[in-house]
Amino acid sequence: SQTIHQWPATLVQPVGSPLSLECTVEGTSNPNLYWYRQAAGRGLQLLFYSVGIGQISSEVPQNLSASRPQDRQFILSSKKLLLSDSGFYLCAWTPAWDRGNEQFFGPGTRLTVL
Amino acid sequence: EDKVVQSPLSLVVHEGDTVTLNCSYEVTNFRSLLWYKQEKKAPTFLFMLTSSGIEKKSGRLSSILDKKELSSILNITATQTGDSAIYLCAVRERGNEKLTFGTGTRLTIIP
Repeated sequence: SQTIHQWPATLVQPVGSPLSLECTVEGTSNPNLYWYRQAAGRGLQLLFYSVGIGQISSEVPQNLSASRPQDRQFILSSKKLLLSDSGFYLCAWTPAWDRGNEQFFGPGTRLTVL
Repeated sequence: EDKVVQSPLSLVVHEGDTVTLNCSYEVTNFRSLLWYKQEKKAPTFLFMLTSSGIEKKSGRLSSILDKKELSSILNITATQTGDSAIYLCAVRERGNEKLTFGTGTRLTIIP
């Protein structure tokens, strides 16, 4: 069966510090991978998605970046965090054979920037 | 522009009530509409709708799509406290790898 992992679960960082959030998927190959951010009580905002290794599409201009160094690994980074980067970050995937349907979400990382 | 709009933004009802959540969308090449339930962490999938007028049902939850009105509703009958959550609607366009999510409806069930 497929599983998706995200870490850390919770993170508190000072403004101006770097960020690295990791997402990995097990039990599948060549998935589509997505990073979302959710502000308190709001919907999901798509940040990045990837259809393959090294292929990243950015949805929203910001100080965040994403990388996909391996097939089932998706990393969200920042060189200098802003207060507005606080939120709940969710990674999601869709299987290669069924990209038209539902996305499966990881447990999320709650980031607080102080 | 807002492509997917959900209403109401929040709703508080008593246990046992029936609720109807709305989702309207504006996309060029509609492919599917999905409903998710989000409690504490990861959203969990409820329904995917592609055809107009066909109701999807799972226990006390049901959903239907109206392509003419560019909208969908999610019904929950005989609500329970466990139904308290944020309900998210998302739309996928043809030829697009992305889902566009609405802002969600926060549903609170009072015992």
